[in-house]
Amino acid sequence: AQKVTQAQTEISVVEKEDVTLDCVYETRDTTYYLFWYKQPPSGELVFLIRRNSFDEQNEISGRYSWNFQKSTSSFNFTITASQVVDSAVYFCALSEAGSGGYQKVTFGTGTKLQVIP
Amino acid sequence: AAGVIQSPRHLIKEKRETATLKCYPIPRHDTVYWYQQGPGQDPQFLISFYEKMQSDKGSIPDRFSAQQFSDYHSELNMSSLELGDSALYFCASSRTGSEGNTIYFGEGSWLTVV
Repeated sequence: AQKVTQAQTEISVVEKEDVTLDCVYETRDTTYYLFWYKQPPSGELVFLIRRNSFDEQNEISGRYSWNFQKSTSSFNFTITASQVVDSAVYFCALSEAGSGGYQKVTFGTGTKLQVIP
Repeated sequence: AAGVIQSPRHLIKEKRETATLKCYPIPRHDTVYWYQQGPGQDPQFLISFYEKMQSDKGSIPDRFSAQQFSDYHSELNMSSLELGDSALYFCASSRTGSEGNTIYFGEGSWLTVV
């Protein structure tokens, strides 16, 4: 069974601080995908990044960076120099292949980030 | 680029009424998912369709049903609505073997049951 754990329920930081959101996953599959989604107060789920299980390279996109470590089953997300617009709930998700080619996707419980001006 | 389209965006129904949500996946996507997100909760998987066949079922109440049509659009039918059904309902789609199987979500349909 697959499981995604986001231990941090809520985080508050002051603008311009760096913040790291933790994600730990469990899966028996050797092939899987990991995702991060952002859910701002308006409600939509915005795709941020995906990683497949064979690609452990860290990625940086502007102020966002992701650290994928298979050894610790973690896929952490860091926001550098946080801004008020980063305030949102962030979900980590895991996708495994189901039977017949479709995917089973499991979400973590989300981390609510509040950036204080 | 085309995204997942959901309608209606907002819906208010009374208890025991029926509601239907519609979803138009991204063109050429072969999998459609429905999720329910209650206030302050993470999205909960309801049901999915792969190539128009039901592929998986999650915590979907028996009062709910869904189907995917020949044009790949999907509908979620909810009957005998209860106050606890008030939630944000997401439809999502993906294309197997493409873009890392990324799942893209619609903007959601807000259902309020009064």
